[in-house]
Amino acid sequence: NAGVTQTPKFQVLKTGQSMTLQCAQDMNHEYMSWYRQDPGMGLRLIHYSVGAGITDQGEVPNGYNVSRSTTEDFPLRLLSAAPSQTSVYFCASSYSDSDYEQYFGPGTRLTVT
Amino acid sequence: GQSLEQPSEVTAVEGAIVQINCTYQTSGFYGLSWYQQHDGGAPTFLSYNALDGLEETGRFSSFLSRSDSYGYLLLQELQMKDSASYFCAVRDPKDTGRRALTFGSGTRLQVQP
Repeated sequence: NAGVTQTPKFQVLKTGQSMTLQCAQDMNHEYMSWYRQDPGMGLRLIHYSVGAGITDQGEVPNGYNVSRSTTEDFPLRLLSAAPSQTSVYFCASSYSDSDYEQYFGPGTRLTVT
Repeated sequence: GQSLEQPSEVTAVEGAIVQINCTYQTSGFYGLSWYQQHDGGAPTFLSYNALDGLEETGRFSSFLSRSDSYGYLLLQELQMKDSASYFCAVRDPKDTGRRALTFGSGTRLQVQP
């Protein structure tokens, strides 16, 4: 199993550009989520999904869109990048929303200039 | 809503024992988890407490007191490789009833020789 994979590892965007961060898992997990991590602020939940076709907003959803058309993939779209979105983005998955162990991808380090 | 509080930094020497505390406020409670994250890496699951008491996994133990809304992670026989950030996390029902995982801001542990 590859576990949770994320692409790209690094990305630099200009303000106003859009892009999609990719996340995939091969563990047949129903629950997937996106977090951003800023220095000293821990992990903040952006969006999550409890299964294909079902998504919900987390703590900091503004400026981001998600969709879940398959169990395996959960892409995160930045609509119009802003410097405040400079962060490290982690995708995570677990069997269900009641599962206490989440598996994290390696992260995408995004810089918006 | 929910909030978690943990100390921002802890320093200890190799071979010692260190305790990292976490207090939480949630509208519901489905257990307290702990994650470890080395610099530049992804968070990895360490332990979980659903009921009061101590859970032991090798050199690491985790404790929960639901009546006090308090838990801690205990690291024994500290090694240099234990230098990392440690996060507590809780599942809390949102308005939708789904249980997203919320993380504390993390405790940076520095182990000195």
